[in-house]
Amino acid sequence: GQQLNQSPQSMFIQEGEDVSMNCTSSSIFNTWLWYKQDPGEGPVLLIALYKAGELTSNGRLTAQFGITRKDSFLNISASIPSDVGIYFCAGQRGGYSGAGSYQLTFGKGTKLSVIP
Amino acid sequence: NAGVTQTPKFQVLKTGQSMTLQCAQDMNHNSMYWYRQDPGMGLRLIYYSASEGTTDKGEVPNGYNVSRLNKREFSLRLESAAPSQTSVYFCASTTGGWEKLFFGSGTQLSVL
Repeated sequence: GQQLNQSPQSMFIQEGEDVSMNCTSSSIFNTWLWYKQDPGEGPVLLIALYKAGELTSNGRLTAQFGITRKDSFLNISASIPSDVGIYFCAGQRGGYSGAGSYQLTFGKGTKLSVIP
Repeated sequence: NAGVTQTPKFQVLKTGQSMTLQCAQDMNHNSMYWYRQDPGMGLRLIYYSASEGTTDKGEVPNGYNVSRLNKREFSLRLESAAPSQTSVYFCASTTGGWEKLFFGSGTQLSVL
């Protein structure tokens, strides 16, 4: 099946540092999504990207949809303790053709730890 | 303003036991999903329901059954639990697209 390679698997950073993580795939995706999961909770959508080259920000978060449509990255600037959690990328291949098309392919996650 | 509610939050089963995980949403969403999350893995789709009265298999359906009881509720049943089903299970729902996919807070299941 389709796979997303997400890196790094984990990272420890000092508060105030910038963070960068990425996802790559051998397949083309038409939509890239970035989620954050807090401990004991379900994932929450951070940013959605819909076209190649798109650069979108949400506060201190910035994500880009790669030109080849096979990759995406997420940057977090000036990290704070509440940024701790697991960040997932997810890709979706086609347009809507029924609920089955919402079958997102998820990366394995990047676990972020912020040292105060 | 509950969103997607899952019960129970934690459960321990012995191999061979059965149980049903409950999920309810109060957002009038048409589509509902069950995912499992294993350590170091992304979420994998078990089953989904496009609308009331329909269900379809996802990526990893073996060992599970589902029931879309009504528009609000979508349950996941393990008929004979196995240790390989130890996981965190998430229910999700949406009505308008992936950017509106809302997840519950999960059920942590251990099968001994």
